[in-house]
Amino acid sequence: EIVLTQSPGTLSLSPGERATLSCRASQSVSSSYLAWYQQKPGQAPRLLIYGASSRATGIPDRFSGSGSGTDFTLTISRLEPEDFAVYYCQQYGSSPPAFGPGTKVDIK
Amino acid sequence: EVQLVESGGGLVKPGGSLRLSCAASGFTFSSYSMNWVRQAPGKGLEWVSSISSSSSYIYYADSVKGRFTISRDNAKNSLYLQMNSLRAEDTAVYYCARDLGKYQLLFTLDYWGQGTLVTVSS
Repeated sequence: EIVLTQSPGTLSLSPGERATLSCRASQSVSSSYLAWYQQKPGQAPRLLIYGASSRATGIPDRFSGSGSGTDFTLTISRLEPEDFAVYYCQQYGSSPPAFGPGTKVDIK
Repeated sequence: EVQLVESGGGLVKPGGSLRLSCAASGFTFSSYSMNWVRQAPGKGLEWVSSISSSSSYIYYADSVKGRFTISRDNAKNSLYLQMNSLRAEDTAVYYCARDLGKYQLLFTLDYWGQGTLVTVSS
């Protein structure tokens, strides 16, 4: 069973700054089956990235994903006010599919 | 527009049962795999169960295996989760989510409902 670790737990940044979120897997994630989701308070999660680097429908290009094997990164190039939220990574290359514990991006 | 609307949540005593439903619209339901994901209050996301488009493939998290049953009715555009032998640790918001995969199960969740709260308490 693959366990995901996300760092940092909380990232405090200002609008306009760059955010770099890390997701590390306990074993290699096959075929880069790694996704990222955004969740705002009181809302359902939203798919941002799948296949490690493919943006989901309607996701702005300030969101990008990279990485392979055990190390993956979500980058938000310039934070907009609506980007302050919790971000989860998820692996789906092996059973069971699993989510990381999340990184909260809050306003500095 | 893709819409997923869950219902059936509520307060239930330990050992009790509940059946969650998810009504889908805005897409060809019978072509997509579907999933249930839950989130305990103040906690992260936990995958619960998945079902392929024709119900040929079904998967469960170990934490619910033997107690929960996922099913679907493609004629009614509906997904279900029958939950038996409920425990306090099953308390969570339960989300219905469409799988990114058309005619395949990718365990990648591209559309989510707003969730339904299940509280297990005496």
